[in-house]
Amino acid sequence: EDQVTQSPEALRLQEGESSSLNCSYTVSGLRGLFWYRQDPGKGPEFLFTLYSAGEEKEKERLKATLTKKESFLHITAPKPEDSATYLCVCGGSNYKLTFGKGTLLTVNP
Amino acid sequence: DAGVTQSPTHLIKTRGQQVTLRCSPKSGHDTVSWYQQALGQGPQFIFQYYEEEERQRGNFPDRFSGHQFPNYSSELNVNALLLGDSALYLCASSLFPTGGEETQYFGPGTRLLVL
Repeated sequence: EDQVTQSPEALRLQEGESSSLNCSYTVSGLRGLFWYRQDPGKGPEFLFTLYSAGEEKEKERLKATLTKKESFLHITAPKPEDSATYLCVCGGSNYKLTFGKGTLLTVNP
Repeated sequence: DAGVTQSPTHLIKTRGQQVTLRCSPKSGHDTVSWYQQALGQGPQFIFQYYEEEERQRGNFPDRFSGHQFPNYSSELNVNALLLGDSALYLCASSLFPTGGEETQYFGPGTRLLVL
């Protein structure tokens, strides 16, 4: 059974304090790994798609990387508006998406 | 370019009632997936529609049914509502995956409260 595990469950940072979120996956035939940001009571907002090990994507203060077993979402000099739940999602060979439980990020001013 | 839209935004029903939620996909997308997200949990896959047919289904009872129309919009129907059906219902659209996985774009969700 495909599994996606995100850590930590919650992360509290000071504004400007860089850190990384981890997503470990056991997925048969990974066909894509996605990162989403979700604000409370709203739908997930698409951030990145990664397809193969070694791939990296960047957007403003966020950078996503992918290896054969895990993905990292690096946050550089975060701001309070980066506070949200970050979801890691994997698409496997069964053409179904497996969601991680998310990391709740809080950035204090 | 409008993204994924859902209606209504909020809904209150009582146990035993039936509800219909609606979704319009992002322009150019042909596949619609529905998810249930309970408070504090990640989204749970309900089913996916492509070419007006249910292509995949998650572990949800037959009380959950859906439909896709020729214009690719979709409906989610839930019969005999239970208290446990209270959740945020998310619709996501994409192109049908043929090789690599296609990115799914989510709508804002419909918040359903069952009393």
